[in-house]
Amino acid sequence: AQKVTQAQTEISVVEKEDVTLDCVYETRDTTYYLFWYKQPPSGELVFLIRRNSFDEQNEISGRYSWNFQKSTSSFNFTITASQVVDSAVYFCALSEANRDDKIIFGKGTRLHILP
Amino acid sequence: DVKVTQSSRYLVKRTGEKVFLECVQDMDHENMFWYRQDPGLGLRLIYFSYDVKMKEKGDIPEGYSVSREKKERFSLILESASTNQTSMYLCASRVQVFNQPQHFGDGTRLSIL
Repeated sequence: AQKVTQAQTEISVVEKEDVTLDCVYETRDTTYYLFWYKQPPSGELVFLIRRNSFDEQNEISGRYSWNFQKSTSSFNFTITASQVVDSAVYFCALSEANRDDKIIFGKGTRLHILP
Repeated sequence: DVKVTQSSRYLVKRTGEKVFLECVQDMDHENMFWYRQDPGLGLRLIYFSYDVKMKEKGDIPEGYSVSREKKERFSLILESASTNQTSMYLCASRVQVFNQPQHFGDGTRLSIL
């Protein structure tokens, strides 16, 4: 069965601190995709990144970076030098190759960046 | 940029009313989805559609139906609204290519009184 666990329900950090959001997944498929989405207070989920199971290279995009480790079934997301605009709910998600019409979402981590 | 537009940001209806939530996308995407989002429960899939006139039940279809008469529009229908359907509803679309991401609308916050 597929499952995505975001153990941190809520995190608060002071602006300019680095913060890591954890994501652990379960799947029996060898081919799958992982995603991160951001949901700011306005409500829209914004797609951040997609990663397939064969690509374990870490990815960096500006202040955002992602660490994918198959050995621990984790796909963690780090924000460096956080800013108030990073305050949002962040969702990790999984989609399996044989059912790519469905995405399994984690319950989300609410991130507060304090000025 | 993909644009997914939901007809209302906020909606208040009464118990027993028939409620329509509309979603339109402008990227000719084949797949469209309706989710509801509740605190502590995350996103749960209600229905999805592979293409025009095609629909599949998601994880929580009870009390809902959908309509997809045109490719760009996917409607969620609450046949007889109940208070436990008060929630945030999110529509998404995506191109039917291997594991592409879904793109979401702004959401409709629906209150059933």
